[in-house]
Amino acid sequence: DQQVKQNSPSLSVQEGRISILNCDYTNSMFDYFLWYKKYPAEGPTFLISISSIKDKNEDGRFTVFLNKSAKHLSLHIVPSQPGDSAVYFCAASAYRGAQKLVFGQGTRLTINP
Amino acid sequence: EADIYQTPRYLVIGTGKKITLECSQTMGHDKMYWYQQDPGMELHLIHYSYGVNSTEKGDLSSESTVSRIRTEHFPLTLESARPSHTSQYLCASSASVGEAFFGQGTRLTVV
Repeated sequence: DQQVKQNSPSLSVQEGRISILNCDYTNSMFDYFLWYKKYPAEGPTFLISISSIKDKNEDGRFTVFLNKSAKHLSLHIVPSQPGDSAVYFCAASAYRGAQKLVFGQGTRLTINP
Repeated sequence: EADIYQTPRYLVIGTGKKITLECSQTMGHDKMYWYQQDPGMELHLIHYSYGVNSTEKGDLSSESTVSRIRTEHFPLTLESARPSHTSQYLCASSASVGEAFFGQGTRLTVV
C-alpha cells in the first residue's frame, strides 16, 4: 500500500522554463511534506518543506503547493537550470515530522539546454 | 550543511561475509534511520531509532540488524551477505520535528 505516490517516473523540461513535479498521498494523518533532490550515488538533499497549515511555501526558485482536499502537492522550479537535473523525491510525515518519513518513488527531472 | 557520515561509500564483498555499514552524525539528533534504495525505486525504510537503546524495524523487511548504543552512532550489520542484498543503503537523522538529513550512502555489491 503506497501512501505517497509520484506517478511520473520522468520529466523533461527546457532550460529557463518551469518544472512542475507532482505528488499524491493517501494518509490523512500526514501533516508535513518535504521534497528532496538526489543525484546518483549520493544521499538525498533536503529542498523545501510545507506543513498542512499552509498551502504554499517558497524558497528562491522553488515553490511547493499543497492541496489538502485533493491530497496533492507539487513542486515548482522556475526558471529551471541544467543543475536541477536529478531525481526528486516527495516525502510525508505525521505529527509535524515527528513520525518517520514515507517517500514516493521519485521523478527523474532532465533539464535540456 | 548536514553533518552525517557514512562509510564506506562503496563496498564489493563476497557472498557469506559479515559486513557493517557505519553511520555517524554530529548534530545530536535523537532520531536515526536506515533506508534501502534500488535504482529507479523509492526509498524503503528498513530500520529506525528514536534514541539510545531504541531500535525498530521499518516497513521493508530486512535481514540486517542495527544497534544504537550512542546517540551519534547507528551501524547496520549483515551477518551473511547475499547477492540479493546488493543495493544502496542510506542513513539519515532528524531532530524531534522537521526534515531528515541524509548521509552520502553506501553502495553495496555482493558477488
